[in-house]
Amino acid sequence: DQQVKQNSPSLSVQEGRISILNCDYTNSMFDYFLWYKKYPAEGPTFLISISSIKDKNEDGRFTVFLNKSAKHPSLHIVPSQPGDSAVYFCAASELAGYALNFGKGTSLLVTP
Amino acid sequence: NAGVTQTPKFQVLKTGQSMTLQCAQDMNHNSMYWYRQDPGMGLRLIYYSASEGTTDKGEVPNGYNVSRLNKREFSLRLESAAPSQTSVYFCASSEAYSRGYTFGSGTRLTVV
Repeated sequence: DQQVKQNSPSLSVQEGRISILNCDYTNSMFDYFLWYKKYPAEGPTFLISISSIKDKNEDGRFTVFLNKSAKHPSLHIVPSQPGDSAVYFCAASELAGYALNFGKGTSLLVTP
Repeated sequence: NAGVTQTPKFQVLKTGQSMTLQCAQDMNHNSMYWYRQDPGMGLRLIYYSASEGTTDKGEVPNGYNVSRLNKREFSLRLESAAPSQTSVYFCASSEAYSRGYTFGSGTRLTVV
């Protein structure tokens, strides 16, 4: 059963606007959340992460929020750029776990 | 360039054939992983190796075997390929157990 869910397969945003990518999880033992970006024909690359002891982490245009009570991480990209067009994967892990659990991904298209 | 190297990049197999996907990392990471990516399914863990000398099954291990040859290398073997194993395979490594990964660029495998 999928423990990390990305319910929006795709998202289209205009250049300069905010992109909000959502994620949900079901496993209460998850304590670390990551976002990966993937371009076609390439491997996923790490983007940003957040520990469960925080509710926000920023890195330039990218901010990850964590709503623990709702079990809901989200990634905000401001402002969005055409080069941000890619598939974004949400992932989560347990401190005592053995590997990352990935969502199915959201394909973001940023249009000029 | 430092990172995770996967070979081959593309492969076509006939049903019943065997092959080994190779993965090597030069970051001195302890943990290594094999994932497969299928349309609409996200990234699913096949096998992982928490440290040299150990391997364990992930979410979808059936039809595969692995070998952690040394700290650098982690190979994935398909003993008798089936069309259901048509997928893109990613190898990854990490320094910290179940934390952020570095991915290879993938092997696109087609079984006919």
